[in-house]
Amino acid sequence: EAEVAQSPRYKITEKSQAVAFWCDPISGHATLYWYRQILGQGPELLVQFQDESVVDDSQLPKDRFSAERLKGVDSTLKIQPAELGDSAMYLCASSFSGGDTGELFFGEGSRLTVL
Amino acid sequence: AQKITQTQPGMFVQEKEAVTLDCTYDTSDPSYGLFWYKQPSSGEMIFLIYQGSYDQQNATEGRYSLNFQKARKSANLVISASQLGDSAMYFCAMRYSSNTGKLIFGQGTTLQVKP
Repeated sequence: EAEVAQSPRYKITEKSQAVAFWCDPISGHATLYWYRQILGQGPELLVQFQDESVVDDSQLPKDRFSAERLKGVDSTLKIQPAELGDSAMYLCASSFSGGDTGELFFGEGSRLTVL
Repeated sequence: AQKITQTQPGMFVQEKEAVTLDCTYDTSDPSYGLFWYKQPSSGEMIFLIYQGSYDQQNATEGRYSLNFQKARKSANLVISASQLGDSAMYFCAMRYSSNTGKLIFGQGTTLQVKP
């Protein structure tokens, strides 16, 4: 069972509605990532946090997407308004800065369907 | 620009046989790390194996080994003695030192193990 917790696992929404995803990383992991994975493709980074600070949001569509990690622990990714093209799996991952490999530990993902 | 390429959209292998999944990468950074992840239908990304660019020996983890050919910029995953539970999507990923730890992923290869 994944130690990175994500919710909800599945979300169906209509276009123009708001949607939010939550992630709780592994305890002690200072770095948190949100990836988007379109069906049949590899994940692409949306935003990366180091503690509570954003270190990379270059691929985040800032007109509709926002992300926060207020206390440097759990994080929320919001989409408002949702569009048909936002249908994808949203994966949260965390990593420990002092590890040998810096591997990312992923949650089970939140699968979004926009109708 | 850094890039990961997986040219095999789908692969079949007979149970108990070995299979090689191809991965090539492109980077001008001398220090980088290469990863393989497994993604079952449940969606979670499971870390399999890591190879650092300065590692002298090919990485091995149980039935997984990484055939690292630095001059050719390839990092193929070899799975020995395939099992039915190995059926999944497999992603090659790279981390380069000039960024802050994020991984860039290839398009993935779907592996199906036949009984």
